[in-house]
Amino acid sequence: SQQGEEDPQALSIQEGENATMNCSYKTSINNLQWYRQNSGRGLVHLILIRSNEREKHSGRLRVTLDTSKKSSSLLITASRAADTASYFCATDEGTSYGKLTFGQGTILTVHP
Amino acid sequence: EAGVVQSPRYKIIEKKQPVAFWCNPISGHNTLYWYLQNLGQGPELLIRYENEEAVDDSQLPKDRFSAERLKGVDSTLKIQPAELGDSAVYLCASSPGLAGGETQYFGPGTRLLVL
Repeated sequence: SQQGEEDPQALSIQEGENATMNCSYKTSINNLQWYRQNSGRGLVHLILIRSNEREKHSGRLRVTLDTSKKSSSLLITASRAADTASYFCATDEGTSYGKLTFGQGTILTVHP
Repeated sequence: EAGVVQSPRYKIIEKKQPVAFWCNPISGHNTLYWYLQNLGQGPELLIRYENEEAVDDSQLPKDRFSAERLKGVDSTLKIQPAELGDSAVYLCASSPGLAGGETQYFGPGTRLLVL
């Protein structure tokens, strides 16, 4: 079963624009992670934010976490065509160590 | 450092036939995961191993699916017999340790088509 929902399901932007994806979840979590998946490939870990953190940066990525609203957002700044991929949030609920529950993903298309 | 290796990359079989997928995790990674990913969906955990012990197999359909991780390294996931609804991508992932919340490293997956 999927833990959360991602919004939007699909996002189409031009190179250089910013892309924002949102993730909502249902239960308490230890941490939330974002992964990227290029077409026909495995998932690649992007960033992890712990439940006691509110914001985290990694290069052009900015992740926020609002545990009171049970939501997170991923911002990709100055997008590139190579950022075209599916993006998934995954939550570690802490009830079973190492178990991640993934959302349905956002398909991001960045046009050159 | 080599990543997670999976084989085969693609498999086409007829329903009721058996099929097996193989995974070699990153060297030194104690934890190994098998996920099922349907088209347009996120991965769903099937089974998680800590070394050679299956510590979470609650989502594994045990009537037709089986898995093993001999010697705590490579792992095999088997379906017997396969059904049409098993068509999906089967992903293997590994992570270094026993604690929760660690980054998982994914293989490229095996895309299964059951006819």
